Amino acid sequence: QVQLQESGPGLVKPSQTLSLTCTVSGGSISSGGYYWSWIRQHPGKGLEWIGYIYYSGSTYYNPSLKSRVTISVDTSKNQFSLKLSSVTAADTAVYYCARATQEVVFDYWGQGTLVTVSS
Amino acid sequence: QSVLTQPPSASGTPGQRVTISCSGSSSNIGSNTVNWYQQLPGTAPKLLIYSNNQRPSGVPDRFSGSKSGTSASLAISGLQSEDEADYYCAAWDDSLNDLVFGGGTKLTVL
Repeated sequence: QVQLQESGPGLVKPSQTLSLTCTVSGGSISSGGYYWSWIRQHPGKGLEWIGYIYYSGSTYYNPSLKSRVTISVDTSKNQFSLKLSSVTAADTAVYYCARATQEVVFDYWGQGTLVTVSS
Repeated sequence: QSVLTQPPSASGTPGQRVTISCSGSSSNIGSNTVNWYQQLPGTAPKLLIYSNNQRPSGVPDRFSGSKSGTSASLAISGLQSEDEADYYCAAWDDSLNDLVFGGGTKLTVL
């Protein structure tokens, strides 16, 4: 059973960079076949896909966030990470990591972590 | 404003059948498969239906999905209290080059 767990600061100051890590257990990122993704949910709102990374390091980002997003992977630690730069209050959200199939079906999700952007 | 349009709410009594619609366009639902996610209160979303009408292992057959043209539907039969949740549709959009979600439908079991 694949499990994902997000970790990182719960509070980030405006204009700084939000950094989160997702640790994967029960499966190896480097085995291929899946895209390791970040999705966020603003408080009381719907879901927004941020982007994904393949074990090889190739990435694809939501065009609306592309200029501020970097997703990276560390196969030795079986982790992948999200960096979102120049954050504002509008980036306050619960951030989920998830595994996606090649058809971009999110079949396993982390429990989510709330990140608040505030001074 | 979500690219995929869902009714904000739906309701039913135990045992009833309810359907939730998801309306899109030729660039998303019209040309790609639709997936549905269930989000129970305070928890992460869970995959409910993929490829329009496929159920992952462990999802009861009370849940079914369908697609026609630029719209999709999720049907829940034999409604149970534990089905009270938010439901989201999702599909790839070829014009936006983006994975788009519906705004979500809050299902209340009366």
